[in-house]
Amino acid sequence: DAKTTQPNSMESNEEEPVHLPCNHSTISGTDYIHWYRQLPSQGPEYVIHGLTSNVNNRMASLAIAEDRKSSTLILHRATLRDAAVYYCILRGWETSYDKVIFGPGTSLSVIP
Amino acid sequence: GAGVSQSPSNKVTEKGKDVELRCDPISGHTALYWYRQSLGQGLEFLIYFQGNSAPDKSGLPSDRFSAERTGGSVSTLTIQRTQQEDSAVYLCASSLETGLGYNEQFFGPGTRLTVL
Repeated sequence: DAKTTQPNSMESNEEEPVHLPCNHSTISGTDYIHWYRQLPSQGPEYVIHGLTSNVNNRMASLAIAEDRKSSTLILHRATLRDAAVYYCILRGWETSYDKVIFGPGTSLSVIP
Repeated sequence: GAGVSQSPSNKVTEKGKDVELRCDPISGHTALYWYRQSLGQGLEFLIYFQGNSAPDKSGLPSDRFSAERTGGSVSTLTIQRTQQEDSAVYLCASSLETGLGYNEQFFGPGTRLTVL
């Protein structure tokens, strides 16, 4: 299965931008890149996804490298509520679209 | 509209007992997933259902674990002869379509299982 690697943890100051990296060097051409986050004591929630082009939504931006072997989730202005574990996931036919495998993710701490 | 719901929210049981965990997916969602999350760990895939197809049970950790989905809606995860290592939060998720790489999963709040 194609896998992703992320740093175990990161810190950010409140109201500053945060760049969360993800490496997926074995990504296939049909794999979508998804990001979820899990707030303390809650189930994961969808953040954003993309295939080739950069994506923006109300929560975050996703920057995808030209070779697609890495991506970066960008939180433009971190708030205390953004403290969570962020998961970078690949979804495609080779990894079975429906069998979503979560890695350990990146634990983001936001410092007031 | 209503999100994914799970019941009970907490379950404490004695070692060796059977437990049933319930998941009500979002109405109209054809795919349903079960995950397990042990304390301080990531999510472990258990099983998923898609429409009327046979479920992918490849993530179930032992034959003590089983799941069914009745009428393409509600799902029940059953753990027989519970062991202390079964203690975890069991999360259910559903999504609108299957076989597509971009469909969003919606997660329930989870059931916290404690086996004494």
